[in-house]
Amino acid sequence: NAGVTQTPKFRILKIGQSMTLQCTQDMNHNYMYWYRQDPGMGLKLIYYSVGAGITDKGEVPNGYNVSRSTTEDFPLRLELAAPSQTSVYFCASGDRGPNYGYTFGSGTRLTVV
Amino acid sequence: AQSVTQLDSQVPVFEEAPVELRCNYSSSVSVYLFWYVQYPNQGLQLLLKYLSGSTLVKGINGFEAEFNKSQTSFHLRKPSVHISDTAEYFCAVSANFGNEKLTFGTGTRLTIIP
Repeated sequence: NAGVTQTPKFRILKIGQSMTLQCTQDMNHNYMYWYRQDPGMGLKLIYYSVGAGITDKGEVPNGYNVSRSTTEDFPLRLELAAPSQTSVYFCASGDRGPNYGYTFGSGTRLTVV
Repeated sequence: AQSVTQLDSQVPVFEEAPVELRCNYSSSVSVYLFWYVQYPNQGLQLLLKYLSGSTLVKGINGFEAEFNKSQTSFHLRKPSVHISDTAEYFCAVSANFGNEKLTFGTGTRLTIIP
């Protein structure tokens, strides 16, 4: 049981480049989330999804896009990378009910230069 | 909307001493509360959670937390810490209904001194 898998683990982008951060979960969770973590700032929600075909903005969505074509996958797209997007990105999945609580991936460390 | 305040950004503690990491929340509705731990260069792992019932919640690695509704707090405690407890700890809150997302605090870095 792999849980939540994120790829790549590390990436360096030049300003203006694009990339997709991949996230896959094998727990059949309906809810998936993308957070970014900056030093001393905790985690900020970028986008989330409550099921295939349904996505919504979080607290800091500018500069990002997402899609959710299947229950398993929730990729995050950066279209025009900016230095302000240098961060560690975490994907998480979860469901409601008595087992409510997120399972996190191991993160993607992105540097934009 | 909900918010979380972790009052201490860093807490140094001697090995085998007790520790308390403080968390206060703000919400106009009933909440679920969580503590997550992040070891260096890893993702976040659930330590414990309060959904309902007993206000004293026990989690993994000997940690426990108490939900205090009147003080809007959910402090994390361990009676005797170990070197392996060195990590960053995040408190999080969500509304207990609908599609509410987790809102995280800014984290507390726990450093264990040998």
